[in-house]
Amino acid sequence: QVQLVESGGGVVQPGKSLRLSCVASGFTFSSYSMHWVRQAPGKGLEWVTFIWFDGRIQYYADSVKGRFTISRDNSKNTLYLQMDNLTAEDTAVYYCARDLSTIFGLLGYWGQGTPVTVSS
Amino acid sequence: EIVLTQSPGTLSLSPGERATLSCRASQSVRNNFLAWYQQKTGQGPRLLIYGASTRASGIPDRFSGSGSGTEFTLSISRLEPEDFAVYYCQHYGNLAPFAFGPGTKVDIK
Repeated sequence: QVQLVESGGGVVQPGKSLRLSCVASGFTFSSYSMHWVRQAPGKGLEWVTFIWFDGRIQYYADSVKGRFTISRDNSKNTLYLQMDNLTAEDTAVYYCARDLSTIFGLLGYWGQGTPVTVSS
Repeated sequence: EIVLTQSPGTLSLSPGERATLSCRASQSVRNNFLAWYQQKTGQGPRLLIYGASTRASGIPDRFSGSGSGTEFTLSISRLEPEDFAVYYCQHYGNLAPFAFGPGTKVDIK
């Protein structure tokens, strides 16, 4: 069965960096585009970024453009999110998600999330 | 960029009642690429409906989706205790960002 397990979250000071990881199993990782979606405390879902199956193309929400970088290592079945220059507004649970099929953005599988707190 | 609004913000119903949730898009959603997700407290979201009306694998038939263009509806025919949750609509397809609506909370009356 499809499994997505995020890690790397924690407490970090404003202006610092953090890298999240998502290890995938149960499917051919290199065949699917992948996403990060976040949820601030008590708030709704916010799509953050996605990367094509082969890593060639990435898209970002305006709120993170220039500060966050999505990448993947298909040999390790792992998705990454490098987060730089963090602010309090980046405090959220970060979910890794997989496209259901070849249609971008239809999020058929989700991890349980990893929490990130940006605080001094 | 498509903006989604959902109504009502909160829906208070009893088990066995019918729930009707609305999602409105700021512009027409191409190919009816509109999905609904369910999220329970402390859990990741789960895909319920895609293509506006197709149930995802394993989703009970009490969940149904309808609509086209800019107006979409998620219906739950008879609420079960496990259906009390927050529901989000989302557009997807070729154009990022893949925005979510703000959500509708269905809680027990």
